[in-house]
Amino acid sequence: ETGVTQSPTHLIKTRGQQVTLRCSSQSGHNTVSWYQQALGQGPQFIFQYYREEENGRGNFPPRFSGLQFPNYSSELNVNALELDDSALYLCASSLARRAGGKETQYFGPGTRLLVL
Amino acid sequence: AQKVTQAQTEISVVEKEDVTLDCVYETRDTTYYLFWYKQPPSGELVFLIRRNSFDEQNEISGRYSWNFQKSTSSFNFTITASQVVDSAVYFCALSEGPRSWGKLQFGAGTQVVVTP
Repeated sequence: ETGVTQSPTHLIKTRGQQVTLRCSSQSGHNTVSWYQQALGQGPQFIFQYYREEENGRGNFPPRFSGLQFPNYSSELNVNALELDDSALYLCASSLARRAGGKETQYFGPGTRLLVL
Repeated sequence: AQKVTQAQTEISVVEKEDVTLDCVYETRDTTYYLFWYKQPPSGELVFLIRRNSFDEQNEISGRYSWNFQKSTSSFNFTITASQVVDSAVYFCALSEGPRSWGKLQFGAGTQVVVTP
């Protein structure tokens, strides 16, 4: 196990609602990245946080937002949920020497979100 | 454009057979990193190996080995003497630098099914 935890494990929401997903990094890690994985596809990068600041963002709309806390845990918030937001959301942590470091990312078990 | 291509959708083998997974990548950067991750049915992405673009030495780690060839932009992965526990989806991923180290770009994955 990587030591990266995510909550909740499963979630069902309806279109238009808002959702918050949580991630606890591996002990000592200062960087958190979030990925969206649709069924049958590879994960897609949403964004990354390094020392509480966003450091890089993928091709996702502003209704996807995040936070990183002083203890390096993180939240992913999605507003105005759409049916296509149904996916597995993965969090990964790493220990970077600087923003955008190239250290290996270790993933959590993910949160499965279903939007009806 | 797809940066990482895994042409094999599914590979089925009988236990103890070898399995080779193909990965072709595309990048203009001279410095980059390549990864293989395993995703069992539980959903968690498990880190397997990482190589940087300056090191084309191929290695063996237990039952895993990899063949990195910059000339053909390929980074193939082999499981020797497969076991039922190797059944999973395997993802190849690319990290381009230096501005996007933290953004892993994944292929679509290859489902490996190992039967007794």
